[in-house]
Amino acid sequence: GENVEQHPSTLSVQEGDSAVIKCTYSDSASNYFPWYKQELGKRPQLIIDIRSNVGEKKDQRIAVTLNKTAKHFSLHITETQPEDSAVYFCAASSGGGADGLTFGKGTHLIIQP
Amino acid sequence: GAGVSQSPSNKVTEKGKDVELRCDPISGHTALYWYRQSLGQGLEFLIYFQGNSAPDKSGLPSDRFSAERTGGSVSTLTIQRTQQEDSAVYLCASSLRGQDNSPLHFGNGTRLTVT
Repeated sequence: GENVEQHPSTLSVQEGDSAVIKCTYSDSASNYFPWYKQELGKRPQLIIDIRSNVGEKKDQRIAVTLNKTAKHFSLHITETQPEDSAVYFCAASSGGGADGLTFGKGTHLIIQP
Repeated sequence: GAGVSQSPSNKVTEKGKDVELRCDPISGHTALYWYRQSLGQGLEFLIYFQGNSAPDKSGLPSDRFSAERTGGSVSTLTIQRTQQEDSAVYLCASSLRGQDNSPLHFGNGTRLTVT
């Protein structure tokens, strides 16, 4: 089955700086890569996703890049703000049902004022 | 519109008791998932329902755990003879599944504490 590794487990950056979270996956059939943000005590929410037919996708301060050859994808947050503090989860899916969606263990992003 | 609704939001139970957790998915979503999130940990897949198909139970940690989904809508996760290690937040999610890889919509979860 799919295995998703996520790094780092904790990331602390100064407000205004950029943050990068990286994930690798093992199943070359995976074709969908969502990112979820979970604020303290709240539900995970989808913030951005990318499909395997594109290499990069942007949405304001958030971008995701995908390298299919190397089987890794990354979340980039620019001009970080206090409200970006949360746990971020990456996931990979081959579209084959529940076992086609595998989550990473999460990254706790801390924005230092 | 209404999101995924879970109840109760918090449940404290004594070791050995049975508990039932409820999930009401978004109307029209055919896929429903249960995940478990222990303190500071990731999302552990438990069980998946898709339409009228047999559920994927491959993530259930023991035979004390079971789930059903009635009428393709509301789902109940049951934990029998609860143990302290069952303490966690249980998250339900639903997705449209009318297309490949439709996003998951999570509920707020049920925080289960076994004393």
